[in-house]
Amino acid sequence: EAGVAQSPRYKIIEKRQSVAFWCNPISGHATLYWYQQILGQGPKLLIQFQNNGVVDDSQLPKDRFSAERLKGVDSTLKIQPAKLEDSAVYLCASSHPDGRVNGYTFGSGTRLTVV
Amino acid sequence: QQQVKQSPQSLIVQKGGISIINCAYENTAFDYFPWYQQFPGKGPALLIAIRPDVSEKKEGRFTISFNKSAKQFSLHIMDSQPGDSATYFCAAPGAGGTSYGKLTFGQGTILTVHP
Repeated sequence: EAGVAQSPRYKIIEKRQSVAFWCNPISGHATLYWYQQILGQGPKLLIQFQNNGVVDDSQLPKDRFSAERLKGVDSTLKIQPAKLEDSAVYLCASSHPDGRVNGYTFGSGTRLTVV
Repeated sequence: QQQVKQSPQSLIVQKGGISIINCAYENTAFDYFPWYQQFPGKGPALLIAIRPDVSEKKEGRFTISFNKSAKQFSLHIMDSQPGDSATYFCAAPGAGGTSYGKLTFGQGTILTVHP
C-alpha cells in the first residue's frame, strides 16, 4: 500500500511571500488532516477534511492559511503571506472513514523555513 | 480542548535498559490512546495503542500501561536498543462529533539509547 505523499520536502521562502504544499492521501482514505509541527513540539491539527468537506478548521489561522481538497482526494495547504513563526514541518495524514487509529498514516512532511 | 502532558522531555538510557515515558490527559471521553514514534525527517508512525478498558497492552518490547483513575498512561520500552533512538509522542483522540479522529499530541520525548 502506497503511503501518504507530500511535496515539496523542503521549502525556503522570505517572509510575506506565499507558499503551497501538496498532499496525496492513501487511496480510499476519506479523512485527511493537515498538522503543523514546530521544532521541539508535537504536531498540532490545522484542518480536517471528510471527503472534500471541512470538518474542523478551528485552529487554522484563516487570515493567512487556506486549504482545499478538490474531488475528495488530493489536498493543498497555502500560506499567504508567510510569517517567521510559520517555520515548521507541515504534515499531512489520512485515515479510514471510521477514524480508527490503525488506519491513521502520516506523510513525511514539508519542512518550511521562513527567513 | 483535550490537553496532553508528556514527560520527560528527553531521556538517555543504555542499551538493554528500560525506557519509560509518561503521559497525562484531561478529557475522559475517548476510545483509544496511541503512541507514535518519529525519526528525523519522517512523519510520526503508530507504535502501539491501547483502549481504556484494559490496563496493559504488550507488543514485543513495547508495553503501554494505563491508569484510568489517574488519567495517565505510559510507554515502557524493554531491552532498549540504539535503533529505538527517536522522538516519541503520546496522543489522545477527540471525543466525538467533529473532533472524532482528531489527535492531540504531547510535547514529545527525545529518546537516546547509547550502545
